[in-house]
Amino acid sequence: GNSVTQMEGPVTLSEEAFLTINCTYTATGYPSLFWYVQYPGEGLQLLLKATKADDKGSNKGFEATYRKETTSFHLEKGSVQVSDSAVYFCALSDLSTDKLIFGTGTRLQVFP
Amino acid sequence: ETGVTQSPTHLIKTRGQQVTLRCSSQSGHNTVSWYQQALGQGPQFIFQYYREEENGRGNFPPRFSGLQFPNYSSELNVNALELDDSALYLCASSLGSGASQETQYFGPGTRLLVL
Repeated sequence: GNSVTQMEGPVTLSEEAFLTINCTYTATGYPSLFWYVQYPGEGLQLLLKATKADDKGSNKGFEATYRKETTSFHLEKGSVQVSDSAVYFCALSDLSTDKLIFGTGTRLQVFP
Repeated sequence: ETGVTQSPTHLIKTRGQQVTLRCSSQSGHNTVSWYQQALGQGPQFIFQYYREEENGRGNFPPRFSGLQFPNYSSELNVNALELDDSALYLCASSLGSGASQETQYFGPGTRLLVL
């Protein structure tokens, strides 16, 4: 069945460091891929999405490229801020039902 | 444009009780999906409602049930609560259903604690 695998956290970085959070998926066909962010005590916010191979989603300095050949959708940011501290979830959208299948989440901690 | 809202924000129940959680979808959206997020885990799909009909269900027992109303708001009902039902319950709304691949927008969630 469809699944998403994320790197385990926490990821601890200093402000202005480069961020990569790895995400790989298993799916039939070519589902849409998403990154959601969850700040402490809050629900999920859509960070970015990509709907087909080689698409690049971007928002607030974050980027991720839909790589069909490696079944990956890694999240990157060139210079993180303390305010980026949160839990990041990679997800895919099941093609037949639209249900989202999430990874287990990666906690990012950014220190000044 | 109003976002997704959920009520209540927090709830404490005891084992065996029943609970109803509510969700108002984003303006213009006709599909509501419910997810359960246990502590430290990613959200798990419970079910989806599209135009008042259940449109897909995850691996949850029948004591988890739902409704969608003509205004597209929705309820999640859980009977015979168990300790493991303690979680954050998230509602997400979207436009379209099935293979539409539309983006789902989440509410802030209801945190349920079962004692």
